Amino acid sequence: RKEVEQDPGPFNVPEGATVAFNCTYSNSASQSFFWYRQDCRKEPKLLMSVYSSGNEDGRFTAQLNRASQYISLLIRDSKLSDSATYLCVVNKGSSASKIIFGSGTRLSIRP
Amino acid sequence: EAGVAQSPRYKIIEKRQSVAFWCNPISGHATLYWYQQILGQGPKLLIQFQNNGVVDDSQLPKDRFSAERLKGVDSTLKIQPAKLEDSAVYLCASSRTSGLMNTGELFFGEGSRLTVL
Repeated sequence: RKEVEQDPGPFNVPEGATVAFNCTYSNSASQSFFWYRQDCRKEPKLLMSVYSSGNEDGRFTAQLNRASQYISLLIRDSKLSDSATYLCVVNKGSSASKIIFGSGTRLSIRP
Repeated sequence: EAGVAQSPRYKIIEKRQSVAFWCNPISGHATLYWYQQILGQGPKLLIQFQNNGVVDDSQLPKDRFSAERLKGVDSTLKIQPAKLEDSAVYLCASSRTSGLMNTGELFFGEGSRLTVL
């Protein structure tokens, strides 16, 4: 089993739709969690951190469920510009080698 | 603020040849990372530097990969000899602090795309 698993997609949804991705992690000792966005042939960029209480940034909402060991990302009112790959990132410790990137979920928004 | 600079952007070599990539992190960022991203996969850490010291190189294939950050600023990653499976994008990233314990933000360069024939 991979340490961080994501549905690779692609998710193909119409503009204005709500879409959600889940990411599961295997190590219950994981300490912090993030979503990164990666556009085609570009570098990853931090989208948002994921807090235990859940957090929202505009149209984006991130949730953490420690009991079930998954995090989620919800995008409301999706825009064409949201088309990208969304990488789930889990940090198991203080060393960068404990930072595990998922393989990403591809999202394509159609007009 | 200037971002993380990497060069070359693209490199095509034949197997068993050598290649070197260069990275200049964001000014003031003490921590520098090299990641390998194979098509369809997430980035995989190769090595982490804190200033000019190696913090973690446990996932670096040391028989063919080497990296240095002699003056604690820019860094080079070398592959010698290259194998077909080394075809990937090599991403350099930097952060103010070690790991993701604080802001959680790694700043990545645009990457160096390597094709090994």
